[in-house]
Amino acid sequence: GAGVSQSPSNKVTEKGKDVELRCDPISGHTALYWYRQRLGQGLEFLIYFQGNSAPDKSGLPSDRFSAERTGESVSTLTIQRTQQEDSAVYLCASSLSQTSERRDTQYFGPGTRLTVL
Amino acid sequence: KQEVTQIPAALSVPEGENLVLNCSFTDSAIYNLQWFRQDPGKGLTSLLLIQSSQREQTSGRLNASLDKSSGRSTLYIAASQPGDSATYLCAPSSQGGSEKLVFGKGTKLTVNP
Repeated sequence: GAGVSQSPSNKVTEKGKDVELRCDPISGHTALYWYRQRLGQGLEFLIYFQGNSAPDKSGLPSDRFSAERTGESVSTLTIQRTQQEDSAVYLCASSLSQTSERRDTQYFGPGTRLTVL
Repeated sequence: KQEVTQIPAALSVPEGENLVLNCSFTDSAIYNLQWFRQDPGKGLTSLLLIQSSQREQTSGRLNASLDKSSGRSTLYIAASQPGDSATYLCAPSSQGGSEKLVFGKGTKLTVNP
């Protein structure tokens, strides 16, 4: 079946502009994560959605970052007033469930490479 | 705060060798641990998931072990092939809240024909 998809695959923007990144999780997956990977660094957690629960935003680096998810489908990550240090690959992952009874494999999309000039 | 270390950072081996990649983590309160491979310009591919109650998982030529109390996991690759060349990432899922994955910087593996 279809995996996690992300768009755009590449985004080049000027410092100060806003960008919006999209993630389509695997159908039926209730949990969705955003991570980012800066050059030479490991992946960093940004935000987590699980069903209708309040999202875990503890990884967002500043208030310029926000994310939304519509039900159990598409999610968008928005970065306002982009800075050069925001340049990274932004990865989305989904899993069937993350509950007290069950923890499942996270499946990753191909990522969006963001370059802020 | 969970910290993950992977050793070695890079490894180059001839085709056919068996090899071991090491992962250590500082907080043993994990729900599970996943091993991924990352190919250049691509996303992550999940290889194995070990629940905290398990000691090992096997898939084909891959075997991953977990010693939660000592904060260690190893990924064993048997009979390595050039197609195994990639960066391998270890990611424990910490308890509490979102069970987000915490990643190491990975081991870059090159298998030479």
